[in-house]
Amino acid sequence: SQQGEEDPQALSIQEGENATMNCSYKTSINNLQWYRQNSGRGLVHLILIRSNEREKHSGRLRVTLDTSKKSSSLLITASRAADTASYFCATDVYTNAGKSTFGDGTTLTVKP
Amino acid sequence: EAGVAQSPRYKIIEKRQSVAFWCNPISGHATLYWYQQILGQGPKLLIQFQNNGVVDDSQLPKDRFSAERLKGVDSTLKIQPAKLEDSAVYLCASSATPGVGYNSPLHFGNGTRLTVT
Repeated sequence: SQQGEEDPQALSIQEGENATMNCSYKTSINNLQWYRQNSGRGLVHLILIRSNEREKHSGRLRVTLDTSKKSSSLLITASRAADTASYFCATDVYTNAGKSTFGDGTTLTVKP
Repeated sequence: EAGVAQSPRYKIIEKRQSVAFWCNPISGHATLYWYQQILGQGPKLLIQFQNNGVVDDSQLPKDRFSAERLKGVDSTLKIQPAKLEDSAVYLCASSATPGVGYNSPLHFGNGTRLTVT
């Protein structure tokens, strides 16, 4: 069964704008991860946030986690055309150590 | 470090034929995963190995899919016989051994795109 669901399904913005995508999940998690997938390629890990953390930063990426709402958001600031990709959240639960469950992703298009 | 290697990159077969995919994980990574990604969807776990033992194969259609990881290093995934709905990208991933209650990030290969006609 699907644990994480991303929203929106698709997002189109201009270069330089910020992009925000959200992930909601159903059951309590151990941690949540965000991945990027360029067309025709495998997924690349971006950020891991643990259940006891509320916010993490990595370069132009900012991830927040609200365990009370069972949701996370990924913010990409000052987007570039190279950020065009699909973004997936993956959740890990305590009872399935090592098993990440992915949502169906948000497709981001950044127009130059 | 060298990434996860997969081959072939593309494969086209007719339904009822058989096909095999190969994966070589990052050196030292004990955990290996096979995911199926249908166009427009996220990856779905098929099987997870810890060294050469199966940890989770609950989503693997065992009547047609099989996987092995001999010697705890590289792995093969086989489909026999293939169906039209097996058309997808098959992704291999590896990770360092997960600790209790903590999961290491997954490192993915570029996948094998399978088309069943």
